[in-house]
Amino acid sequence: EPEVTQTPSHQVTQMGQEVILRCVPISNHLYFYWYRQILGQKVEFLVSFYNNEISEKSEIFDDQFSVERPDGSNFTLKIRSTKLEDSAMYFCASSEAEEGIQYFGAGTRLSVL
Amino acid sequence: AQTVTQSQPEMSVQEAETVTLSCTYDTSESNYYLFWYKQPPSRQMILVIRQEAYKQQNATENRFSVNFQKAAKSFSLKISDSQLGDTAMYFCAFMKPYSGNTPLVFGKGTRLSVIA
Repeated sequence: EPEVTQTPSHQVTQMGQEVILRCVPISNHLYFYWYRQILGQKVEFLVSFYNNEISEKSEIFDDQFSVERPDGSNFTLKIRSTKLEDSAMYFCASSEAEEGIQYFGAGTRLSVL
Repeated sequence: AQTVTQSQPEMSVQEAETVTLSCTYDTSESNYYLFWYKQPPSRQMILVIRQEAYKQQNATENRFSVNFQKAAKSFSLKISDSQLGDTAMYFCAFMKPYSGNTPLVFGKGTRLSVIA
């Protein structure tokens, strides 16, 4: 069964460093999402992406964040200069249709020291 | 803005018993979707069940069913004949349609443990 793949499963970085979280969505899906979950808190929406551009973004998704689909398979989330409060689990999701079911990856745990 | 509340941080149930997880939400929309997602330990979230608000009939998926009370803005999940593999974090989520790439709004989750 096709699934969304995220790498790495755990990323440790120093404050101020840039990180790139990678996702391979399901191959025929057209809509892509990033969510994050700070420990003990809700899963929060960051950004959605369609047709090579951002469709919607939350207040969390500030200038430190960017997303890209560099090729036909990968979907990346870049945090330019990480802060301690960026430590969280980051989930990638994809869907086939605009209101379709979103399929999630297993997440990347980002630890900022 | 929509909010989703799951008031039970943790629950446990004996194998083969029935358990109900609670979820309430707040919205001014009349049409929307509601979901239950399951996240087993160290695994990705998978969809358990989906309900469309304009459908009065409660969604059912094998041992999983919902009790959707639109007026009360309540969307509980019932798991019948609980199995050890049902041990997971369960998230209730809301989606407002027709707003571009429609993000999900999640509750904080309920950690369910099925005990042998």
